[in-house]
Amino acid sequence: GDSVTQMEGPVTLSEEAFLTINCTYTATGYPSLFWYVQYPGEGLQLLLKATKADDKGSNKGFEATYRKETTSFHLEKGSVQVSDSAVYFCAQNSGGYQKVTFGIGTKLQVIP
Amino acid sequence: ETGVTQTPRHLVMGMTNKKSLKCEQHLGHNAMYWYKQSAKKPLELMFVYNFKEQTENNSVPSRFSPECPNSSHLFLHLHTLQPEDSALYLCASSSTSGGATDTQYFGPGTRLTVL
Repeated sequence: GDSVTQMEGPVTLSEEAFLTINCTYTATGYPSLFWYVQYPGEGLQLLLKATKADDKGSNKGFEATYRKETTSFHLEKGSVQVSDSAVYFCAQNSGGYQKVTFGIGTKLQVIP
Repeated sequence: ETGVTQTPRHLVMGMTNKKSLKCEQHLGHNAMYWYKQSAKKPLELMFVYNFKEQTENNSVPSRFSPECPNSSHLFLHLHTLQPEDSALYLCASSSTSGGATDTQYFGPGTRLTVL
């Protein structure tokens, strides 16, 4: 079945460090791919998305590229800030509003 | 209010109690969802409604009973819960017109503790 695999964390980085959170997926067909972020005490909110192969989603300095050949959608940011501390969820949608699958979430802690 | 709201934000209940969680969306969406978020586990989709009709029930125990009176409101009725049901319950909404590209919009969740 469809699934999303991401590193569990926690990931601890110093401010201004480079961030990579890996995400791979298995799906029938060609899914849309998403990164959601959950700040403490809040629900999930969309960070970025890509809907077809080789698309790059970007927002707030974060980027992820849809790689069909490696079935991956890794999240990157060149210089993290303390305010980026949150839990990051990779997700896929393989074909309809009912078919969203989330990863386990990766907790990121950025220290000054 | 904008977005997706949930009440209460925190709930403590005994195993014999009956309570309800409420969700309201102000985004004009036609699909609404209940998720369960537990530590160390992926988000678990519980129920999906589209235009008030339930379209998904992921083998959820009958002690959880959803209700969707209209496209803007969603309830989760709880009774005779177990301690392992303690979790964060998230409500979300989306449109359905974009198919696989639709984004889900989440509420802040209800933190449920079952004693």
